[in-house]
Amino acid sequence: QSALTQPASVSGSPGQSITISCTGTSSDVGGYNYVSWYQQHPGKAPKLMIYDVSNRPSGVSNRFSGSKSGNTASLTISGLQAEDEADYYCSSKRSSTSWVFGGGTRLTVL
Amino acid sequence: QVQLVQSGTEVKKPGASVKVSCKASGYTFTSYYMHWVRQAPGQGLEWMGIINPSGGSTAYAQKFQGRVSMTRDTSTRTVYMELSSLRSEDTAVYYCATEGIAVAGHFFDYWGQGTLVTVSS
Repeated sequence: QSALTQPASVSGSPGQSITISCTGTSSDVGGYNYVSWYQQHPGKAPKLMIYDVSNRPSGVSNRFSGSKSGNTASLTISGLQAEDEADYYCSSKRSSTSWVFGGGTRLTVL
Repeated sequence: QVQLVQSGTEVKKPGASVKVSCKASGYTFTSYYMHWVRQAPGQGLEWMGIINPSGGSTAYAQKFQGRVSMTRDTSTRTVYMELSSLRSEDTAVYYCATEGIAVAGHFFDYWGQGTLVTVSS
């Protein structure tokens, strides 16, 4: 069972916007509105940033937004800040009892 | 507040088994599913399975079928993940994570601190 496809790395300068894509199939990303995104700093546990495609948990900056079109979901971070530098993972429900993660994207703030 | 506290670092030999615990507090233990996710060194997150703490039912990723067992003890609000027939590729940080506590839904909102399991001869 393959992971969702994410770019290995993206980069941007402070203040810019970046978008990370997450491509799956009609059996996961395209079939459910249950895509979530996680931020992970080195040595730390992942942190939920977006759930159900485009919803932000309480406490997460509104600079983070999510969307989906067909089998591809996207995470956009606007107004990049140094503390945004981290690894980002997407996840989707794949069936009634299984989930799948993307391979992860390393964001570098230049 | 919700807290998930996992057991400590483990070092195991190939072929052995490991049992990692995750003690929950700050919410109704039996009302929310618990997942296990692992991360090999320098690699991405990998979903392993889910347990319903209420009835104990489980579902596992196909990759781990036959080698993983997830159980719970409601009296101590603890879930366990046991992985058998360990090999070097099982060296990873293992996380427990709750599903949809703060807001109902199918995502992982609270995570344990992680447990490093090293498999080495």
